[in-house]
Amino acid sequence: RKEVEQDPGPFNVPEGATVAFNCTYSNSASQSFFWYRQDCRKEPKLLMSVYSSGNEDGRFTAQLNRASQYISLLIRDSKLSDSATYLCVPAISGGYNKLIFGAGTRLAVHP
Amino acid sequence: DVKVTQSSRYLVKRTGEKVFLECVQDMDHENMFWYRQDPGLGLRLIYFSYDVKMKEKGDIPEGYSVSREKKERFSLILESASTNQTSMYLCASSLVGPAPWDTQYFGPGTRLTVL
Repeated sequence: RKEVEQDPGPFNVPEGATVAFNCTYSNSASQSFFWYRQDCRKEPKLLMSVYSSGNEDGRFTAQLNRASQYISLLIRDSKLSDSATYLCVPAISGGYNKLIFGAGTRLAVHP
Repeated sequence: DVKVTQSSRYLVKRTGEKVFLECVQDMDHENMFWYRQDPGLGLRLIYFSYDVKMKEKGDIPEGYSVSREKKERFSLILESASTNQTSMYLCASSLVGPAPWDTQYFGPGTRLTVL
């Protein structure tokens, strides 16, 4: 079983749509949580951290359910530029923040 | 802006060759990382360094070694390249500290093909 499970997609949505991605993680020692965005043939870049109470950054909302070991990302009013792969990344804190990467969910936004 | 650079974007090598992948960061970060990324799998940590000359094995260190002689530079070495090491290699760096200070910043990646 993978440590981080994500639906690989692709999610094909029209501009302006709302789309949600889910992720489950297996390591209960995970203490920090992130969503990274990776464009085709580019490096991953931090999209947002995920806080226990849930948090919002513009059109993006992240939620965490520690009891169910579940993380979600909601994108409202999708733009063409949102097309990318979204990586769910729980982290285990120790000497450093060890990131455990999901394989990603691909989003394709079309006109 | 944090800048992490990698020596090559694309590299083609033959089985058995010794391969050096270099990574340089310009933000005085203590931590540096090497990952590989393969289709359908998440990024997997190969090695990690938290200081000059210090290194720790990640989840898949077999077939790889690393060198960190200067703080800004972290090299990944494939002693004898094999076809199953064909992959995208990503370097990252971060500060030491609580989130968000320890956010990892990635280089553009090196796509290595071993024939």
